[in-house]
Amino acid sequence: DVVLTQTPSTLSATIGQSVSISCRSSQSLLDSAGNTYLYWYLQRPGQSPQLLIYLVSNLGSGVPNRFSGSGSGTDFTLKISGVEAEDLGVYYCMQATHAPYTFGAGTKLELK
Amino acid sequence: EVQLQQSGAELVKPGASVKLSCKTSGYTFSNYYMSWLKQMPGQNIEWIGNIYGGNGGTGYNQKFKGKATLTVDKSSSTAYMDLSSLTSEDSAVYFCARWGYDGTYYYFDYWGQGVMVTVSS
Repeated sequence: DVVLTQTPSTLSATIGQSVSISCRSSQSLLDSAGNTYLYWYLQRPGQSPQLLIYLVSNLGSGVPNRFSGSGSGTDFTLKISGVEAEDLGVYYCMQATHAPYTFGAGTKLELK
Repeated sequence: EVQLQQSGAELVKPGASVKLSCKTSGYTFSNYYMSWLKQMPGQNIEWIGNIYGGNGGTGYNQKFKGKATLTVDKSSSTAYMDLSSLTSEDSAVYFCARWGYDGTYYYFDYWGQGVMVTVSS
């Protein structure tokens, strides 16, 4: 199975600060059709995960544009440009290029 | 409005089975895949498998073969997951999630609220 390694595991930020989360894959996530099925989800406390980014850099519906995704192959990054209070929670990267789909262990974003 | 409504929390004894439901509304059930996922307390999310609402075709994570069985009832737009031979390792929150399609790309776009399964004697 593909292993996704997220760093850091915990991130402390102040409101307005910009932060980045890394997700590294044990295999390339580029498929034979040229697509890279790497996603980012946010799980707020007590809630279900919600889609932020799909296919590396595409913003999900209704997601604020302070979120952005980048990367290729095995290295990916989620950036939040100006953290807001509603952004607190656990961020997961997920891959769907290789079966079974797998998730990273999560990065908890908390207020400093 | 798309909605995925999961059944309530379950307390089950070791060795028993449990059937979880995910009742959907607001979209054409038979046109989409539904996945089930497991999240143990404070831990990672695992993909169990998926099922196509149109014909019930399934795909499983090898880890959950023999543990989970996915079915659908098209008449009620409901997806089900049977978990068998339960142990403490099956105590977790289970989510259903729609594998959505925007015409070009796929992603989990709608999630159920999750259901806590506790295995205890």
